[in-house]
Amino acid sequence: AQSVTQLDSQVPVFEEAPVELRCNYSSSVSVYLFWYVQYPNQGLQLLLKYLSGSTLVKGINGFEAEFNKSQTSFHLRKPSVHISDTAEYFCAVSETGFQKLVFGTGTRLLVSP
Amino acid sequence: DAGVIQSPRHEVTEMGQEVTLRCKPISGHNSLFWYRQTMMRGLELLIYFNNNVPIDDSGMPEDRFSAKMPNASFSTLKIQPSEPRDSAVYFCASRPQGSVTEAFFGQGTRLTVV
Repeated sequence: AQSVTQLDSQVPVFEEAPVELRCNYSSSVSVYLFWYVQYPNQGLQLLLKYLSGSTLVKGINGFEAEFNKSQTSFHLRKPSVHISDTAEYFCAVSETGFQKLVFGTGTRLLVSP
Repeated sequence: DAGVIQSPRHEVTEMGQEVTLRCKPISGHNSLFWYRQTMMRGLELLIYFNNNVPIDDSGMPEDRFSAKMPNASFSTLKIQPSEPRDSAVYFCASRPQGSVTEAFFGQGTRLTVV
């Protein structure tokens, strides 16, 4: 069964600094990977997804993620964060051919001026 | 499309009472998921349905929890009897056919059991 680990529960960063949110997954088969964002008191919305092809995936709001199969990682990055990026970020995995979608425990990104 | 619709948005109930959460998935989506979000455990998958059939309910915490999907446009998650530790935000999500697509989430139901 697939699983996702987000090691950092909280990441504080100053505005305009770069940030990386880490995600590692475990699966015995090939997977599809997703990053979602949750703003306060809202549902989750998709930031980006990796299905196949280029390992560097670009998403909304200037975020990007890189799939590394050998390290079973899918880290999320942004070169310069804004106050408005303060939110909770979730990594998720789905095994190819299966509908089940499993999430990590989330990383809270706190951007301060 | 209006997206995934959950009701109610907020529910406050007393311990021991029955609670029913409702979800209307996006039309045409054939998979439906129920998740529970708490500070301690993050976002946990409780159960998911494919074509109205429960596929994996291994995340359902206890027999007090039950979920149904009588048709493609409606699902319920029931807790009977409710306990204070059930307090959480419950999300419903739906997904079209095929694992290449993402899931679309509702706004959630914030449940408080006092």
